[in-house]
Amino acid sequence: QQQVRQSPQSLTVWEGETAILNCSYEDSTFDYFPWYHQFPGESPALLIAIRPVSNKKEDGRFTIFFNKREKKFSLHIADSQPGDSATYFCAASEDSGGSNAKLTFGKGTKLSVKS
Amino acid sequence: NAGVIQTPRHKVTGKGQEATLWCEPISGHSAVFWYRQTIVQGLEFLTYFRNQAPIDDSGMPKERFSAQMPNQSHSTLKIQSTQPQDSAVYLCASSPDPENSDYTFGSGTRLLVI
Repeated sequence: QQQVRQSPQSLTVWEGETAILNCSYEDSTFDYFPWYHQFPGESPALLIAIRPVSNKKEDGRFTIFFNKREKKFSLHIADSQPGDSATYFCAASEDSGGSNAKLTFGKGTKLSVKS
Repeated sequence: NAGVIQTPRHKVTGKGQEATLWCEPISGHSAVFWYRQTIVQGLEFLTYFRNQAPIDDSGMPKERFSAQMPNQSHSTLKIQSTQPQDSAVYLCASSPDPENSDYTFGSGTRLLVI
């Protein structure tokens, strides 16, 4: 069964620190890796995504680092703000060729940013 | 753009009753996905339509769950003989084309089976 593993389950950082959220996967056919965030009472929303042609993707304070050899990828949130407090889900899919855009999600990391 | 619309937002059913959940994808999006979210299991894939055709229903409990997409503007998820373990938030998502995994999720239907 395809799996995406996510750690830690919960993470608390102080305002201004960098939060690091980690994921790993098993299936070598995965080739698209998005991160979603979910605020309480809301549905998940796409935050940032990467394809393995590159090992880094930046969007403002959010950066994905990707290690294809170790099948790991991480989300770094620089200068964390209280408004970043949410649950973050990593995911993976076999995006190439359009045959299966189904996302397999990790179990989530609940991030709390303290001020 | 109203986004992905799911109705009802909340549904309470008695054990053994039927529940039908509705989803209206974003206009022009050709891929529709159904997921179930619980605290314990997280986000679980149920089923997926591409251009209204069922593509992958590998996540569907076969005996009581069914999904349809009769036209490009709506999809339904039907649960027969609901059980307490079916209680969850059911999320519908759509994406612009079959090769795109960038989902837009709806607000979800919170199903409670008592």
